[in-house]
Parts: sequence; C-alpha cells; structure tokens
Amino acid sequence: GAVVSQHPSWVICKSGTSVKIECRSLDFQATTMFWYRQFPKQSLMLMATSNEGSKATYEQGVEKDKFLINHASLTLSTLTVTSAHPEDSSFYICSARVPVTSGSTDTQYFGPGTRLTVL
Amino acid sequence: GQSLEQPSEVTAVEGAIVQINCTYQTSGFYGLSWYQQHDGGAPTFLSYNALDGLEETGRFSSFLSRSDSYGYLLLQELQMKDSASYFCAVLSSYKLIFGSGTRLLVRP
Repeated sequence: GAVVSQHPSWVICKSGTSVKIECRSLDFQATTMFWYRQFPKQSLMLMATSNEGSKATYEQGVEKDKFLINHASLTLSTLTVTSAHPEDSSFYICSARVPVTSGSTDTQYFGPGTRLTVL
Repeated sequence: GQSLEQPSEVTAVEGAIVQINCTYQTSGFYGLSWYQQHDGGAPTFLSYNALDGLEETGRFSSFLSRSDSYGYLLLQELQMKDSASYFCAVLSSYKLIFGSGTRLLVRP
C-alpha cells in the first residue's frame, strides 16, 4: 500500500510556543491531504482538508488561525499549531488521498501520527 | 447532521467469529470503509464497500446495504493480535467521517 510519513512522531513543548508537524506521501503524489485530531479513547475528528496549491478547508469549530496548514507540494503538507496550550495536547494524524483511477477505490492512507504534549 | 453508530466494545475468544455493526446517517454517501487501530498507532485501512454486498479479504469480510444504511465487519478465526479498535467511516464527497470506534478484546 501507499506510504505516508509524519514528523515528528512525538513532541513536547511549552505553553505558548508553536509546533510544526510534517506529513509526506512517500511513493505517490497527493493533491489532497487531511489532518485529524484524536483524543484518548475517542474517534478521529477531521480538522481540515489540505489541497495542494490552495487554501485549506477547515471543519466547523476548528480555528484556522490557530492551526495553520500549508500544502506547498504534491508530497508535503504541514500543520502548525500556533501558541499551543495544554488543551491542544492530542494525537495528530494526517492522511493522503490516493488518486482514484479506473477500477480503484477512493482510499486514504494514514501517517503514523504525532503525539503532541503541551506543558 | 451526520452520525455513525457502532458498539463501543466487543469481547470474543481466540478462534471465534465476531461481527461489528455500523449504521450511518450522512448527507452524502460514496462508500463505507473500515479501519483498524492498535493502541498508540495510526489507523490502517481494512476494506471499502461502495456497492451492496460482501467483500472478502482473507479473514476479514465487510458487508454493505445502502438501502438500510448499514454495514458490518466480520472477523473470522480471531487471533490475539486482532485486539484493537475498529472504526467504520463513511466516504462523504471526498471526506471520511468516522464512527466512534469499537474496541475488540480477544481472549485466549
């Protein structure tokens, strides 16, 4: 299957600082990537859709000025958590949409996730 | 609104068969996916149903009934390593909407 990487895998930061998380599709080009957040024992909540070369589309209730998304190339999307606070501590997971071709299914492959802890 | 319902927890013994149900109400529907997630890990893709019927992939099968807005994941010959959380997810337009997840515990 397609491979998606995330960096870093975990990060601890002080309250008020900013953290950047990278998501890369390693063996395919992804025009669309997604960012999710998952709190312990809960489901994945879609935060935003990242489209290469255009502005991200944020889900209702997600602050676009706090969670900055950049999708500058077909293989890289970044999520920056600005002025992080303890309540932002969570598991952040990206996914990349595999381009749909004849006979294939619309599938997303997930990165390994980034565990953010804000002190 | 959009909602997906699945049981919160299921327990089964090694070697048994277990079925995890998922009912959904979404504004758009292209297909139903299933993902497995072990503690601390990321979701891994298991199956996708766009049409009614049963899809089989090894020990795992997934079923969809679009008219009933219902699907299930069937796991056969359960192994200890199958203990994980299982999420159904509706593909609505290009976005995945996840259910709350079912925690499967496989006992010896």
